[in-house]
Amino acid sequence: KAGVTQTPRYLIKTRGQQVTLSCSPISGHRSVSWYQQTPGQGLQFLFEYFSETQRNKGNFPGRFSGRQFSNSRSEMNVSTLELGDSALYLCASSPGPGGTGELFFGEGSRLTVL
Amino acid sequence: AQKVTQAQTEISVVEKEDVTLDCVYETRDTTYYLFWYKQPPSGELVFLIRRNSFDEQNEISGRYSWNFQKSTSSFNFTITASQVVDSAVYFCALVDSNYQLIWGAGTKLIIKP
Repeated sequence: KAGVTQTPRYLIKTRGQQVTLSCSPISGHRSVSWYQQTPGQGLQFLFEYFSETQRNKGNFPGRFSGRQFSNSRSEMNVSTLELGDSALYLCASSPGPGGTGELFFGEGSRLTVL
Repeated sequence: AQKVTQAQTEISVVEKEDVTLDCVYETRDTTYYLFWYKQPPSGELVFLIRRNSFDEQNEISGRYSWNFQKSTSSFNFTITASQVVDSAVYFCALVDSNYQLIWGAGTKLIIKP
């Protein structure tokens, strides 16, 4: 069974640009959640999608957005990039909604903003 | 406020030693869930265990064991006879009433051969 796949694995952008990250969940999983990991702030919840609907959102500015497609694949977008957006962005999937069960994580997309 | 504290930033031990990673949490919820995840150098977080607030039974899985004590709001993780492959960053996390995962800062565990 294929795991959670995130693309791209590494990318470099400059301030002011925008970026789109992709996440393909484990087959059959309908929930996808996104996390930002930085040395300073640690792991922080961004948002969760279940059946194409945003179910939950963390405390991030509106520059961070996401969506989920009918095949459960998800994308997150960060517009007007800032230096502080440099981070490892992790995607996780689970069969059902909510955060009470086991999450299956991808290896992350490492974003560097110059 | 919901909070998870992992006071140990980094622990270094020699292989075969036992090691305990501490986790202290704060929540006003009576129903909550606690987790431990492992993050190897490759980056992906790997689920280790989940505990709900009504189940204080300790758990053992091979060399891993967990001690959940509501009285002290702690959920500690012990590795017995550590191995080099156990080297990773370990995160404790709490699911709050909004179903959001609140993560601890993580403990980097270094097992030296």
